[in-house]
Amino acid sequence: KAGVTQTPRYLIKTRGQQVTLSCSPISGHRSVSWYQQTPGQGLQFLFEYFSETQRNKGNFPGRFSGRQFSNSRSEMNVSTLELGDSALYLCASSSHRVPSNTGELFFGEGSRLTVL
Amino acid sequence: TQLLEQSPQFLSIQEGENLTVYCNSSSVFSSLQWYRQEPGEGPVLLVTVVTGGEVKKLKRLTFQFGDARKDSSLHITAAQPGDTGLYLCAGVSAQGGKLIFGQGTELSVKP
Repeated sequence: KAGVTQTPRYLIKTRGQQVTLSCSPISGHRSVSWYQQTPGQGLQFLFEYFSETQRNKGNFPGRFSGRQFSNSRSEMNVSTLELGDSALYLCASSSHRVPSNTGELFFGEGSRLTVL
Repeated sequence: TQLLEQSPQFLSIQEGENLTVYCNSSSVFSSLQWYRQEPGEGPVLLVTVVTGGEVKKLKRLTFQFGDARKDSSLHITAAQPGDTGLYLCAGVSAQGGKLIFGQGTELSVKP
C-alpha cells in the first residue's frame, strides 16, 4: 500500500511569510502526528490529530497550527516565519492513537523548510 | 519534562566492529521504540520493547529494555556500511501523554 506522502518536499520562504505543509497518511490510518526535526534537537512533537480532532499538542507557539480533514489528510501551517523555523517537518501516520504501546508510526519523507 | 537522552550522539566506526547505543531517562516508560532514519527519508521502526528486561534480536541488532523500564540499549554486531544512519529511541511514558524522542545517534560505518 502507498506510504505517507508529504508535499512539498522542499521549500524556501522568507521571514514573516507563512507556509502550509500537507500530509496524506496511509489509507485507513486515522492518526496523523507532526514533528519538527533539527540537528541537535532531534524530533520535537508538534501535534497529533485523530478523527479530525487535535488530541495532543507539543510546546510550540501559536504560530504553529494544523488541521485534519475527513479523509484523514492533514495540513500544518506556520505563520510569521522566523529563521529558527528552518527544519525538516515530518508527518507520521498510525492506525492507533499516539501514544500507543504497540502502535507503529509510519513517517513520510518530510518537508524541508528553509527560512531566509 | 520527560527526556530521553541518547549516547553517544555521534559514532564513526570501521566495518566489522561492534557498537552499543544507549537511551536513558529518569522516567519510567511503558514501552520504547527504536527507529532508523537514512538521509532524505523519514524514520523507520526497527523494534518495540514493552516488558522490563525484554531482549529482542533483529539479525545483527540486539535491543534491550532495562529492568526498571527507564533505559534501553541497541547493540550492533559486526557493523556494516548499510547500518549507517540516525538511530532514534522513542518512549511512551507510563503516565500516558506524548511519544518522546531522543535526540538521536548518528552512526557512520566505514568500509
